[in-house]
Amino acid sequence: SQQGEEDPQALSIQEGENATMNCSYKTSINNLQWYRQNSGRGLVHLILIRSNEREKHSGRLRVTLDTSKKSSSLLITASRAADTASYFCAGAGSYQLTFGKGTKLSVIP
Amino acid sequence: GAGVSQSPSNKVTEKGKDVELRCDPISGHTALYWYRQSLGQGLEFLIYFQGNSAPDKSGLPSDRFSAERTGGSVSTLTIQRTQQEDSAVYLCASSFRDPSTDTQYFGPGTRLTVL
Repeated sequence: SQQGEEDPQALSIQEGENATMNCSYKTSINNLQWYRQNSGRGLVHLILIRSNEREKHSGRLRVTLDTSKKSSSLLITASRAADTASYFCAGAGSYQLTFGKGTKLSVIP
Repeated sequence: GAGVSQSPSNKVTEKGKDVELRCDPISGHTALYWYRQSLGQGLEFLIYFQGNSAPDKSGLPSDRFSAERTGGSVSTLTIQRTQQEDSAVYLCASSFRDPSTDTQYFGPGTRLTVL
């Protein structure tokens, strides 16, 4: 069963705008990871936030985690056409990652 | 060092044939994982290795699927008597040691098409 549920399923924005994607999960996690996937191939790891962290930054990425609501958000600031991809959150249990179906982001130049 | 590599990148086979997919993890990573992504679906966990041992095989879809890892490094995923529903992208990942805390790094995947 899938743990992460991303919202929205698809998002289209203009270059330069910010993109926010949300993720909810069902069971307890050790950490939550966000990945990007281009053209249905390999996943690129973006950021990992541990269950005892509330916010984390990496470049243009900002991730928040609310364990009481079992939710996370990924903010991409000043988006670029190259950010066009599918974004997945994944909850880390004992060993496996449980993924949602992803948000398809389109950044229009 | 190099990232996770997988071969072949694409595999087309006929229904009923066996296929072997290969994964080379990042050097020094003790944990290795296989996932499957079907068209339009999320990623489905298949199996996890710590060293050469697979503590949990419950994600394998059927007994036609098997996996092994030798020397704590290379892993192969074998699908026997392939069916059309096996068509998917098979992704391998590795992590340094502790699967509950370490980042999983993914390979480029093998796209399997069963005709």
